Amino acid sequence: KQEVTQIPAALSVPEGENLVLNCSFTDSAIYNLQWFRQDPGKGLTSLLLIQSSQREQTSGRLNASLDKSSGRSTLYIAASQPGDSATYLCAVRRGYGGSQGNLIFGKGTKLSVKP
Amino acid sequence: EAQVTQNPRYLITVTGKKLTVTCSQNMNHEYMSWYRQDPGLGLRQIYYSMNVEVTDKGDVPEGYKVSRKEKRNFPLILESPSPNQTSLYFCASWTGLNNSPLHFGNGTRLTVT
Repeated sequence: KQEVTQIPAALSVPEGENLVLNCSFTDSAIYNLQWFRQDPGKGLTSLLLIQSSQREQTSGRLNASLDKSSGRSTLYIAASQPGDSATYLCAVRRGYGGSQGNLIFGKGTKLSVKP
Repeated sequence: EAQVTQNPRYLITVTGKKLTVTCSQNMNHEYMSWYRQDPGLGLRQIYYSMNVEVTDKGDVPEGYKVSRKEKRNFPLILESPSPNQTSLYFCASWTGLNNSPLHFGNGTRLTVT
């Protein structure tokens, strides 16, 4: 059974720091991995999607890497800002379509960036 | 604007009183699903639909029903809500293409007393 773990559960950093959020998964047979951001009272916003054949994806100050063989992904946030404060979730897709289209989520890392 | 719309945002009800949470997407997505989010348990899939009239159970379907009569709508029905269904519910939609992400609604916070 696929399990997704995110460490740490919470992280507090001063503004301007570069930081790394970690995600690990137990079954390397994934279709893709997605990183989401969740703000209080809001839904989830997709940040980056990495296909199983890819090693990394970048969007602005965000860079996500994927090492499928070791079951790990990292989300790197450069020059953090208070507006980055949110809960970050990673999720893996087991396959294509049907129940395999289901995303398995980690429990998230709650990030707080202090001014 | 491309979006997934859920209603209501907040709902307080009593045990046994049937309720429906609506979900609508304007992106012509084939795939829609419902998740619940609970502290310490994360997000878990309740039901999903791959197209009109095609629905199937996710990981935690007990106590819920869904229907997909139109492509854009995917309501979640609780025939007889119980307190253990108190949770934050999210609807999501997806094109079904391997390089496209899930799009989520803003959530419905349900309290069953």
